[in-house]
Amino acid sequence: GAGVSQTPSNKVTEKGKYVELRCDPISGHTALYWYRQSLGQGPEFLIYFQGTGAADDSGLPNDRFFAVRPEGSVSTLKIQRTERGDSAVYLCASSLTLDSRDEQFFGPGTRLTVL
Amino acid sequence: AQSVSQHNHHVILSEAASLELGCNYSYGGTVNLFWYVQYPGQHLQLLLKYFSGDPLVKGIKGFEAEFIKSKFSFNLRKPSVQWSDTAEYFCAVNLGSSNTGKLIFGQGTTLQVKP
Repeated sequence: GAGVSQTPSNKVTEKGKYVELRCDPISGHTALYWYRQSLGQGPEFLIYFQGTGAADDSGLPNDRFFAVRPEGSVSTLKIQRTERGDSAVYLCASSLTLDSRDEQFFGPGTRLTVL
Repeated sequence: AQSVSQHNHHVILSEAASLELGCNYSYGGTVNLFWYVQYPGQHLQLLLKYFSGDPLVKGIKGFEAEFIKSKFSFNLRKPSVQWSDTAEYFCAVNLGSSNTGKLIFGQGTTLQVKP
């Protein structure tokens, strides 16, 4: 079946603008994760959803970042008043259950560039 | 806070050479351990994982890893690398006792295999 998809694949925006990044998880996966990967670094956890609710948003860097998953499937990561430091690849992953042993399946990522 | 360290940032090998990539984590409790691989132009995918039991785990494509609890290590090995193993490798952990798969990644190791 289809894997995790993310749109857009690339997003270039200007400092101060608002952006939305979308993630379509694997159908039936309960858990959905967002990570951010800066150049030369490993992915860094941002937020995780169990169904529709954000179970852990401790990784969001500040209140400019917000994510939703209103119907328990597709998720949108929203960034307000973008800054150059927000430039990174934003990764989405999903897993079948909440079990910490479950494999997380990653999407291709959205490369965000803030000019 | 938990952290993961990968000591080799960039490794260059010739085909048929043996590979060992180091991974150390800092957490005193039960952990789940993972190695992910990202081939050029592709998304992150799981190479192997360890939860409990035999500390030597085998993954796809001839890779294996050994969990040494006393050293807080989970090193990745392959007896004979191929050009197609050129990729970026990430070690990751999550808390084995938690009801979340939130992953903490190392900074990654870039492996370049020369034909």
